[in-house]
This record gives sequence, structure tokens and C-alpha cells, in this order.
Amino acid sequence: GDSVTQMEGPVTLSEEAFLTINCTYTATGYPSLFWYVQYPGEGLQLLLKATKADDKGSNKGFEATYRKETTSFHLEKGSVQVSDSAVYFCARGTSPGSNYKLTFGKGTLLTVNP
Amino acid sequence: SAVISQKPSRDICQRGTSLTIQCQVDSQVTMMFWYRQQPGQSLTLIATANQGSEATYESGFVIDKFPISRPNLTFSTLTVSNMSPEDSSIYLCSVYLTDSGNTIYFGEGSWLTVV
Repeated sequence: GDSVTQMEGPVTLSEEAFLTINCTYTATGYPSLFWYVQYPGEGLQLLLKATKADDKGSNKGFEATYRKETTSFHLEKGSVQVSDSAVYFCARGTSPGSNYKLTFGKGTLLTVNP
Repeated sequence: SAVISQKPSRDICQRGTSLTIQCQVDSQVTMMFWYRQQPGQSLTLIATANQGSEATYESGFVIDKFPISRPNLTFSTLTVSNMSPEDSSIYLCSVYLTDSGNTIYFGEGSWLTVV
């Protein structure tokens, strides 16, 4: 079935370090791909998304590119801030045409130290 | 996007009781969903709640345990029945918006602790 595999955390970085959080998905069709972020004590917020191969989603300095050939959607940021500390979830639409149901990865806890 | 409000935001419940969570959206939406996030885990879809039809439950979730109402296009409720400590979770309401690029948005969640 549909699944999403995320890099295990926790990830601890110093401020201004480069961030990569790996995400791969099962290749059934061409689902939309998403990154959601959950700040401490809050619900989920959409961070970015990509709907087709080679699309790049970007927001708040974060980027992720939809790679069909490697079935990946890695999240990157060139210089993290303390305020980026949160749990990051990669997700895919469950099946083509059914992007209203999401399958989530297990989440990656990021801690950024000053 | 949409503004999605959930009540209660947090609660501590006694085992064996039931609690109803409300979800209010600031615009009319056809598709609403309920997810569960158990402590330290990812999100799992409980059910899809479309106005005018019965809720559709995912594998492992049943109507007797998680009855859902969807009386109109801006409101839904999820009841967690006969709670046990294993039901301690964050319950999140979400909506699918086609006029915002076919994207799912989430409420802030209802954090339930069952003691």
C-alpha cells in the first residue's frame, strides 16, 4: 500500500546550519507530496507541497523537489533558525486523484540550538 | 486557506466516559476528515466526513467507537466513546480545499488525556 518513509530523528543542529530531512514514498501513481510542520504545542501547518514530477515547493526558506526517478521529496533549508525547531512530517496523497487523503511519515523532530 | 477551530483544545477525561470534539470551519467545505495522532506517533486517518452522507471509516476504526456527525458544510463533530488510556491522543480535524490548490488544512487539534 501507500507509504512514506522519513529520516529518523531527532535531528539537532546549530543555528545557521544546513538542514536536510529525507523522505521517500511508494511509487503508486503520481501523488501530490507535502511537508507539514508541527511547532511545540500546536497543530499541523502546511509548509510546502509539490503536485507533479520536478516541481519544487518552497516556503519560509525551506525547499523540496519532487523526484520521480528516486521517489523522493527531501526537505532542505540552507540556514536554520532556533524558531525552526519543530516536528516535520512528509506526506503523500493516498492515490492519484485522491489527494484529499494523506499518508504521513513518522515525523522528524528538529531541534536548533543557538 | 481556511480557519479551522476545534473545541476543546485540551481535556483530561475519566476512563469509560465519552467526549465530543467540535470542528468549525470559516467557509463551506465538502470534505472534512478526522485524524488521530497518538503520543510520539504520526497521524492516522480515522474517517472521512462528507456532508449529506454517512462517514467513511478507515481500517481499524469503527462507528461505535468514533461516531461522527456532519450536519452542514461548516461543522463536524467526533465523539470518542467509552474512553480508555489508549485513546489519549491529539485528534485533528482537517478540510480539503479545491480553491487553494487541492490542499488539506488542519485545525490545531484537541489534546485528550484519559486517566
